[in-house]
Amino acid sequence: GAVVSQHPSWVICKSGTSVKIECRSLDFQATTMFWYRQFPKQSLMLMATSNEGSKATYEQGVEKDKFLINHASLTLSTLTVTSAHPEDSSFYICSAPEALANSPLHFGNGTRLTVT
Amino acid sequence: GNSVTQMEGPVTLSEEAFLTINCTYTATGYPSLFWYVQYPGEGLQLLLKATKADDKGSNKGFEATYRKETTSFHLEKGSVQVSDSAVYFCALRVQGAQKLVFGQGTRLTINP
Repeated sequence: GAVVSQHPSWVICKSGTSVKIECRSLDFQATTMFWYRQFPKQSLMLMATSNEGSKATYEQGVEKDKFLINHASLTLSTLTVTSAHPEDSSFYICSAPEALANSPLHFGNGTRLTVT
Repeated sequence: GNSVTQMEGPVTLSEEAFLTINCTYTATGYPSLFWYVQYPGEGLQLLLKATKADDKGSNKGFEATYRKETTSFHLEKGSVQVSDSAVYFCALRVQGAQKLVFGQGTRLTINP
């Protein structure tokens, strides 16, 4: 079945540094990918919609200069957390839909980011 | 707007007990409905789905029926196992859209 691969699965970084998270669709093309953030014991909050070949669409309240999204190809989207701070520590999950109508979203396994 | 409300957790049951996790939704039009499961430290996996009223989704012993009259999609399983311990998310997708709207998640713990 369709698989979405997310890398890295966990990362620890120091305050002020930037971290890049990759999301790949392994056996299907994804013109759109979604980036979610999940706080401990809470639901998933949609951060932005990544669009291949064009700018990402950010949800209200999400800083686009803080969370840079690049969707350079039909199988790869990246989220870069710039100048990370401890409050950016969270679980980030990407997802991608197949092209078929009514197909479900496929999720990556998530990235646990800890900023010290 | 579109929203999903799940029963609050955490839910703790003994092995072989009957499980119900309630989910109701508010949406325009005719959404598709989903249950996703998240095991510790992992992303979400699709458990089951239903795309129209009266459809029943089923997988791994879990079932949920799309009830338009009560705007509900309750998750049920007749006999739970320890391996079912996870967080369960109810979600909807509005017709024509790709992104999902999630409920708050329900943490389920099954004790042997």
